[in-house]
Amino acid sequence: GQQVMQIPQYQHVQEGEDFTTYCNSSTTLSNIQWYKQRPGGHPVFLIQLVKSGEVKKQKRLTFQFGEAKKNSSLHITATQTTDVGTYFCAVRFQAGTALIFGKGTTLSVSS
Amino acid sequence: DTAVSQTPKYLVTQMGNDKSIKCEQNLGHDTMYWYKQDSKKFLKIMFSYNNKELIINETVPNRFSPKSPDKAHLNLHINSLELGDSAVYFCASSQEAPVVFGPGTRLTVT
Repeated sequence: GQQVMQIPQYQHVQEGEDFTTYCNSSTTLSNIQWYKQRPGGHPVFLIQLVKSGEVKKQKRLTFQFGEAKKNSSLHITATQTTDVGTYFCAVRFQAGTALIFGKGTTLSVSS
Repeated sequence: DTAVSQTPKYLVTQMGNDKSIKCEQNLGHDTMYWYKQDSKKFLKIMFSYNNKELIINETVPNRFSPKSPDKAHLNLHINSLELGDSAVYFCASSQEAPVVFGPGTRLTVT
């Protein structure tokens, strides 16, 4: 079936460093969602991007949707230990179908 | 109030047994899902129900049978459990975006 590729799978940073995770699709997407899952927790919705080239910010998190609507990124500035967890992108390839998740990027932060 | 709840939180059972996981949402969403998360954290859609009607059934063994008695409930019954069924099972619901997940049920088959 259709997949969305997400890289890297793991990332370890020192507290204060920046972090970025990327999602790529071979097909044009109508929108893309981002979720965060803390260790031992469940995925929690962060944001949805809809427009080509869209950039949205939530405090230290910056989300981008590519001009071609085939890729997206999540960037965290000056990571903190509270940023630890797995970040997933998620897409619907067709209206009315299930949300398909990327394999996630697990972020660890050392202080 | 918990938006999406599931019981039990933990389930430890032996191979060959049958078990059920219950899910309820109080958000008034039309669509409910079951996702399976394996040890590598990969989240895979299993089933999707819209207003009690099955709309998505991914390649899942027919030992797994979802049941939706009403729009707010989606239960998952698993027959003849196998070692490979060990995972975290998440119930979720949505009305467009976002998808709201339950806390998960960690199933361990021994």
